[in-house]
Amino acid sequence: DIQMTQSPSSLSASVGDRVTISCRASQSIGTYLNWYQVKPGKAPNLLIFGVSTLRTGVPSRFSGSGSGTEFTLTISGLQPEDVAIYYCQHSYNTPYTFGQGTNVEMK
Amino acid sequence: QVQLQESGPGLVEPSETLSVTCTVSGGSIRSNYWNWIRQAAGKGLEWIGRIDTSGGTSSNPSLKSRVAMSVDTSKNQFSLNLKSVTAADTAVYYCARVHLGYFYMDVWGKGTTVTVSS
Repeated sequence: DIQMTQSPSSLSASVGDRVTISCRASQSIGTYLNWYQVKPGKAPNLLIFGVSTLRTGVPSRFSGSGSGTEFTLTISGLQPEDVAIYYCQHSYNTPYTFGQGTNVEMK
Repeated sequence: QVQLQESGPGLVEPSETLSVTCTVSGGSIRSNYWNWIRQAAGKGLEWIGRIDTSGGTSSNPSLKSRVAMSVDTSKNQFSLNLKSVTAADTAVYYCARVHLGYFYMDVWGKGTTVTVSS
């Protein structure tokens, strides 16, 4: 099974800050890497798929990059509504696995 | 647009079977893959399994021996059965549509909470 490791597990940033979340796969997954945002009491929401393709309607301050085993989610200009837990997930093969999540809080 | 709605028992006794159904509305269940995911309180997301509308399944090895999934295309529904449950199976259970191609999950249900307790 492919393991996904995210870092950091939590972070605190101010409005307007640039936030970076890393995700590492235990083996190469090509571009089968997706990012989800989970707010308290809500279902996960797809933000980015295929490493860097922004889902329609997702603000352009979100971006994704990487390839192979190393991937990054960047929020360029953190907004209060971005407070959430962010998960990476690979869809290279089954079992699909998620990273352990990164809790983004506001200072 | 496609919407998903989970329905479940709310409370299941230990050692019994947990059954959750996902109803697809606003579109056909056919020609798609469908995932089950769960999240225990304070924990991360865990993929449970995937089913296609031909009945083909794939499940998490950690749960494989206890998981059964089925699809009813006439009702636009698919279902999850998890047998021999324990308190560790207490979680919010989500269904999600799998986009064919990159296999990301683009449509999610709101989730249903299942508590395992006597």
